[in-house]
Amino acid sequence: DSGVTQTPKHLITATGQRVTLRCSPRSGDLSVYWYQQSLDQGLQFLIQYYNGEERAKGNILERFSAQQFPDLHSELNLSSLELGDSALYFCASTLGEGLYNEQFFGPGTRLTVL
Amino acid sequence: DQQVKQNSPSLSVQEGRISILNCDYTNSMFDYFLWYKKYPAEGPTFLISISSIKDKNEDGRFTVFLNKSAKHLSLHIVPSQPGDSAVYFCAASGYTGNQFYFGTGTSLTVIP
Repeated sequence: DSGVTQTPKHLITATGQRVTLRCSPRSGDLSVYWYQQSLDQGLQFLIQYYNGEERAKGNILERFSAQQFPDLHSELNLSSLELGDSALYFCASTLGEGLYNEQFFGPGTRLTVL
Repeated sequence: DQQVKQNSPSLSVQEGRISILNCDYTNSMFDYFLWYKKYPAEGPTFLISISSIKDKNEDGRFTVFLNKSAKHLSLHIVPSQPGDSAVYFCAASGYTGNQFYFGTGTSLTVIP
């Protein structure tokens, strides 16, 4: 158990809808990272927040947004969903700010868009 | 564009033998490289890392080698154990900048 929690575990929705994925980092960690893993794809870095502020941005679509709240949990919002958004979404956390730090991953949320 | 590549999607090795997983990268600005292991239905877990100022880092059965001129790193597992069967991802980052890249993973099967 990494100490990172993600909810929900599974999510099934329809095209055009909007969903919110939630992540609680390990106690004490200030950075939260979001990743997308599609079928046959590696992990694609989406975005990083550190202590409430956006720190780094990867291949995140404009339809996707994220935020980190004062209690340090984070939410990833996916809107106008398309079939291709079906994937595993992981969040990870670290104490420090650097992307090179060892990251602790949650178990993931599996999103299925029908 | 795939800045970190793992060209072998799968690898099978006999228990007790050496497993060698390879990773290539394209960006010479990467300073730090990490390996993660992933079991089904779980998130990745950190395995070992190496800074670009080193060419080798060892942790128990796991050794990572970095060849900067070839932009290539490899993970050696000796001896391989059935519990090592998992998907292995390499990742690369810079100390500056704001990008972080994972490879597509290599599925290792260790045969008892």
